[in-house]
Amino acid sequence: DGGITQSPKYLFRKEGQNVTLSCEQNLNHDAMYWYRQDPGQGLRLIYYSQIVNDFQKGDIAEGYSVSREKKESFPLTVTSAQKNPTAFYLCASSTQGEPQHFGDGTRLSIL
Amino acid sequence: EDKVVQSPLSLVVHEGDTVTLNCSYEVTNFRSLLWYKQEKKAPTFLFMLTSSGIEKKSGRLSSILDKKELFSILNITATQTGDSAIYLCAVDNYGQNFVFGPGTRLSVLP
Repeated sequence: DGGITQSPKYLFRKEGQNVTLSCEQNLNHDAMYWYRQDPGQGLRLIYYSQIVNDFQKGDIAEGYSVSREKKESFPLTVTSAQKNPTAFYLCASSTQGEPQHFGDGTRLSIL
Repeated sequence: EDKVVQSPLSLVVHEGDTVTLNCSYEVTNFRSLLWYKQEKKAPTFLFMLTSSGIEKKSGRLSSILDKKELFSILNITATQTGDSAIYLCAVDNYGQNFVFGPGTRLSVLP
């Protein structure tokens, strides 16, 4: 089955800790995206990548980092510089002119 | 700056009512407008609109785009409690990224 897999579903972060959220797709999509969603809100773009080894900052990139070493994978690291990381994180992928496909998300909380 | 605005932000109706959700946009390179429904997890795709005036329908849901006035509406007729969700509008600005609106939270009461 083709799709996007995010892991873990739930993640807890201690103060001062970096955590990495995984996103893998087997849809052969070139573009991948990370969004943050706060309760009752829409999606805000953190980072996106149109091609392997290249990525761009979105609207709220501060405190986050990404890599795109493989077409299938686009991990997001939430660094200790992100002071308010508690949110629902969604990964998506797309190909030119088609709707985005989304993973099931990761809920991140502070311990 | 590219932006997408949705209204209302929140809406409470009773089963059987008809609702209209609005989405207006300002983007530099419009390719398409998309509607998604989000319940608990991942948004699910509803419609993609690229041409003005052509209505897309799926069951009780329909949507239309006006590229001159830069807006779209999503209609839901004979609402059911299962329609309760956040409805997201997004614009594809030609492969740069997708710009999302804040969403409309729809609650359908029995």
